[in-house]
Formats: sequence, structure tokens, C-alpha cells
Amino acid sequence: DSGVTQTPKHLITATGQRVTLRCSPRSGDLSVYWYQQSLDQGLQFLIHYYNGEERAKGNILERFSAQQFPDLHSELNLSSLELGDSALYFCASSVEDYQPQHFGDGTRLSIL
Amino acid sequence: AQTVTQSQPEMSVQEAETVTLSCTYDTSESDYYLFWYKQPPSRQMILVIRQEAYKQQNATENRFSVNFQKAAKSFSLKISDSQLGDAAMYFCAYRRRGNKLVFGAGTILRVKS
Repeated sequence: DSGVTQTPKHLITATGQRVTLRCSPRSGDLSVYWYQQSLDQGLQFLIHYYNGEERAKGNILERFSAQQFPDLHSELNLSSLELGDSALYFCASSVEDYQPQHFGDGTRLSIL
Repeated sequence: AQTVTQSQPEMSVQEAETVTLSCTYDTSESDYYLFWYKQPPSRQMILVIRQEAYKQQNATENRFSVNFQKAAKSFSLKISDSQLGDAAMYFCAYRRRGNKLVFGAGTILRVKS
């Protein structure tokens, strides 16, 4: 158990819809990272938050947004969903910049 | 931009034997970290081993060890005494301090009994 909690584990929805993925980092971890794992793109970095502030953005679509709340949990919002958004979305957290990132179990998103 | 290359899409090893997974990376940075993550069929991402670039000594974690060649930008993973539970996708990853992980495409490891 990595200590990082992601909910829900599975999400099935239709094109055009909006979903919210939630991540609770390990106790004490200030950094939260979001990654997308798809068959054609592999593991791609989406966005990084540190103690509530956005630190870096990767290949994140404009239809996607995220935030980190004062209690340090984070949410990834995906809107106007397309078939190509079907993927496994991981959240990872770390306590310091040089410490390893520990991953949650992921949320599998299926767009029908 | 940093890139990570895993040139072996798939590898097989006999139970109890040793296997080495290859990884090369490209960076102009001097301070960075390298990792191997394991992703079993359950899809969890499990940290296997880490290496700090400033350390010359190769990291070891039980049956897992790395061969870190900084000048060659090579970071291979050796699994000794392979077990059925080692079967998984293995990802090599690079990270600058305070930055995102950059992953390779992964190597599927199959363990034969």
C-alpha cells in the first residue's frame, strides 16, 4: 500500500460528459503529480501541484483542469470527454522534491 | 527535453535465472534521479529501485540491482533469482529534482517456470 488514495477506481461515462478524479496524497506529502497512461501515448505527465500551487504543466489538454485543496487532496477535472480520453489516470505524491514519487492505484476511465 | 529509451519491448527469463533490462536516457543536466518502476497486471505502479546521479555506487535492493553508467547515460536493471512474481511491465524513469517523471515505453518481462 503506497498510502496514496485515488477514487473512484473505475469510471465509465459517455462522450461529452464531465468527470472528477480525486487523489489523497500520503500523509505529509506536499507534492501531487497527475499522469495519464494510454496505449498509444504511454505514461505522460499532466500537471504538478505543490502545497496548493500549480508548479508545472505537461501535456494537459485545455479541457482538463486540476487543483489542490488546503487539505492537500487534489482533483483532476476532465470535461467534454472524447473517446481518446479513455486511459488510466495516476496520481503520485512525494514529500520533498528529491524523494521518490509514490503512486496511487489509478482511476481507469472508459469513454463509451 | 529529456528522453528515456527502453529498447527491449519484451524480455523472457527462466525462473531462478538472471535478467537485465536496458535503459538509456538523454539529458544535459548533472543533478537528476533515475528509477525503475514495476507495473504488474494489477496496474499498480511500484517503485523498485532508485539511483541518484551524484552517487557513483550502484543501488541495490535485495534481488534488484542497477548498473549506472553516467557518462554513457545508461541505467540497466538486473533481476537475480527471478521469481514468477517478477512478471510485469518495467518502466525506467528520469527525474530532475523537483520535477516530473519522464518514463520510457516500458519492457514486458515474462518469467517462465
